[in-house]
Amino acid sequence: DQQVKQNSPSLSVQEGRISILNCDYTNSMFDYFLWYKKYPAEGPTFLISISSIKDKNEDGRFTVFLNKSAKHLSLHIVPSQPGDSAVYFCAAIRSGGYQKVTFGTGTKLQVIP
Amino acid sequence: DVKVTQSSRYLVKRTGEKVFLECVQDMDHENMFWYRQDPGLGLRLIYFSYDVKMKEKGDIPEGYSVSREKKERFSLILESASTNQTSMYLCASSLGVRNQPQHFGDGTRLSIL
Repeated sequence: DQQVKQNSPSLSVQEGRISILNCDYTNSMFDYFLWYKKYPAEGPTFLISISSIKDKNEDGRFTVFLNKSAKHLSLHIVPSQPGDSAVYFCAAIRSGGYQKVTFGTGTKLQVIP
Repeated sequence: DVKVTQSSRYLVKRTGEKVFLECVQDMDHENMFWYRQDPGLGLRLIYFSYDVKMKEKGDIPEGYSVSREKKERFSLILESASTNQTSMYLCASSLGVRNQPQHFGDGTRLSIL
């Protein structure tokens, strides 16, 4: 039962254009969402997060949007750079209880110079 | 900067062996986690610990156990290794307050022959 889904396994974007990575979730108890970036042979690194009380959070070139009614979030990268080529994981944390994090399956982004 | 160190980058073991994967963090984090990453499945939580000697099962604990005798160290044990446990194993840690991002090690690529 995949509670956090990233339906696009891969995405290719031209350098300088916008990258949009999507994530859907099914559990309405999730109240905090994170995006991680992973390069080959390295562990994931935290990128940006958003609380369910917000619908947008921005950090430099990275913006995360949350649509609670649709149970959907997206990560926008603009402008995209070749160094952004990596696998991006969406993750969600449930309200209450232990800090168990549920990850999506990942989207591999390729930014073409 | 938080550092999460996994004892081995690559490990090859035989079916039926008892395997120990070690993880150490240097930032006094309360929470520690073990995941495995498989193609198309993302990161799946095996076990986590929110305090010394405390542990909670994740989504796929079967065939694994863990040990946390000291705050900085979290060990994953494969009691009797099987070929379906060939995977990338990732350790992570986080502060014991709500909604903190996890910091990951670089992973151990484990092959069971």
